[in-house]
Amino acid sequence: DVQMTQSPSSLSASVGDRVTITCQASQDIKNHLNWYQQKPGKAPKLLIYDASNLETGVPSRFSGSRRSGTDFTLTINNLQPEDFATYYCQQSDRLSSFGGGSKVEIK
Amino acid sequence: QLQLQESGPGLVRPSETLSLTCSVSGASISGTTYYWGWIRQSPGKGLEWIGSIFFSGTSYYSPSLKSRVTISIDSSKNQFSLRLTSVTAADTAVYYCARHNHEYQVRWWGQGTLVAVSS
Repeated sequence: DVQMTQSPSSLSASVGDRVTITCQASQDIKNHLNWYQQKPGKAPKLLIYDASNLETGVPSRFSGSRRSGTDFTLTINNLQPEDFATYYCQQSDRLSSFGGGSKVEIK
Repeated sequence: QLQLQESGPGLVRPSETLSLTCSVSGASISGTTYYWGWIRQSPGKGLEWIGSIFFSGTSYYSPSLKSRVTISIDSSKNQFSLRLTSVTAADTAVYYCARHNHEYQVRWWGQGTLVAVSS
């Protein structure tokens, strides 16, 4: 199994802030890493695929990067009220598995 | 417009079998591009991929659930199904059906259905 570890598990931020969430894989997953946003009571929404590709329709303030085959980041610039949600990473190199989630709350 | 809709019992007794069906409309489940999968989310917890199936019937399961899971496909009804045996309270979750590509990128989800395991 590929284990995915996200940090932080939660954070408080203000509108306009820059937020960075990290995701670490237990083994090399190349660039097979996706990011999702989930709001309460809703299904997740794909934001970033293959580590750094912005999904169609997703605002450009969202970006993803690959530091190595095991370390990835999601960055949200100029945080907006609608961005307060929980974010999940997902590896798709060996079947699929998700990180534990990172909840972005209003400070 | 693609739509996925989960259906099945909302309550299952411990040690019994959880069975859910996902009805697909707006696309053929027999297409060769996409996979059809199940993902669950325990209350207040994160997402867990359960498994997926291709139109050919080839299926892939999470190693942690593989011994208890069967996913099947019924092209004539444009549906696919999940069976999870020997359930415990730990299997209480919202179960989502979903469509994903070969890279497991999920762009279409069902609304989710809550299944509680309780006596």
